[in-house]
Amino acid sequence: DTGVSQDPRHKITKRGQNVTFRCDPISEHNRLYWYRQTLGQGPEFLTYFQNEAQLEKSRLLSDRFSAERPKGSFSTLEIQRTEQGDSAMYLCASSENRAGVTQYFGPGTRLLVL
Amino acid sequence: AQSVSQHNHHVILSEAASLELGCNYSYGGTVNLFWYVQYPGQHLQLLLKYFSGDPLVKGIKGFEAEFIKSKFSFNLRKPSVQWSDTAEYFCAVTRGSSNTGKLIFGQGTTLQVKP
Repeated sequence: DTGVSQDPRHKITKRGQNVTFRCDPISEHNRLYWYRQTLGQGPEFLTYFQNEAQLEKSRLLSDRFSAERPKGSFSTLEIQRTEQGDSAMYLCASSENRAGVTQYFGPGTRLLVL
Repeated sequence: AQSVSQHNHHVILSEAASLELGCNYSYGGTVNLFWYVQYPGQHLQLLLKYFSGDPLVKGIKGFEAEFIKSKFSFNLRKPSVQWSDTAEYFCAVTRGSSNTGKLIFGQGTTLQVKP
């Protein structure tokens, strides 16, 4: 399977704990995106990487959130001091580095903060 | 701020009925438009997209969408739905001038097709 993969698929944590999610994009894709989706809503943009450079961050991404893509391949999204409001599906997508191209989504990591 | 509105939150149809899901966006410049679908238990996948050219776009599984620039709309249609079309449908937009290509999604429409 050469699609976008995410790990873990599910994560349950207690409020105040730190969590880290991983995304492996399609190998030849330069662009990588993180989105967050809550129940009954469409995905909301969080952040964008072109290769290893993080070029845009949403205001949704508080200082408790940090994302990296150290070698321009896989990416991690860390949430520190989790809050119940962080419970959501975290989606990763990747695409080629051209305008109007398709973003391919991974299966997501569902986070539940108790 | 740019937004995307999907008018129908939950649609229930019988098999063979025709489908039209509304989508409007608020951005006035050049846009790229997408419809994504999420089948139960599966991840988001692209149904179709409009980048330029013919405003009537055909996608997978018999779906099509028409870009009407004057109405800021990109409605999704299918002449005859099947039970397997039961899914959640998302309209999304990127700004043509965007360097990042980030998608702005609507809130989604849940389609339930009764056999």
